[in-house]
Amino acid sequence: KQEVTQIPAALSVPEGENLVLNCSFTDSAIYNLQWFRQDPGKGLTSLLLIQSSQREQTSGRLNASLDKSSGRSTLYIAASQPGDSATYLCAVSGTGNQFYFGTGTSLTVIP
Amino acid sequence: DVKVTQSSRYLVKRTGEKVFLECVQDMDHENMFWYRQDPGLGLRLIYFSYDVKMKEKGDIPEGYSVSREKKERFSLILESASTNQTSMYLCAGRTGTDTDTQYFGPGTRLTVL
Repeated sequence: KQEVTQIPAALSVPEGENLVLNCSFTDSAIYNLQWFRQDPGKGLTSLLLIQSSQREQTSGRLNASLDKSSGRSTLYIAASQPGDSATYLCAVSGTGNQFYFGTGTSLTVIP
Repeated sequence: DVKVTQSSRYLVKRTGEKVFLECVQDMDHENMFWYRQDPGLGLRLIYFSYDVKMKEKGDIPEGYSVSREKKERFSLILESASTNQTSMYLCAGRTGTDTDTQYFGPGTRLTVL
């Protein structure tokens, strides 16, 4: 069974700093990998989707990379802002319509 | 604009009650999912459906059932609620394409007393 791990579980940075969130998965047979953002008590908002054939995706200050062979993905956030404070989750999809989620990284950006 | 809605944001029920959680999507998605989210455990898949009247068990189906009579609506049913079913419940929709994204509803925080 696919297992997804996110490290660190929590991260606190000063405003303006660049940061990297990590996601690792055990089975490289995936269709895609998604990064989500979740605000407290809310649902998940999709940030970036990387297909298994792609190496990276960019959206504004966010850049996600995928190394399928090593089972790793990173989410890079440039010039962090207090509004970026949230929990960030990664999820991988494989056969059978299954999605597997990590437990998330809780990010706090200090003004 | 993409939209997945859930019938309640907060719900309080008593042990033994039958509970219905409703999810509606307006994106003509074939696939719909029910997850529960608990601290330290992340999101876990309860059930999913890839078409009307079709359903598949996820990782933790025990104590739950689902209903999908129409394409846009996917219901999660707790036949006899128990305290260990207190959780955040999240519904998601997706097209039938394996490479497409999931769209999530706002979640229902269920408390079983």
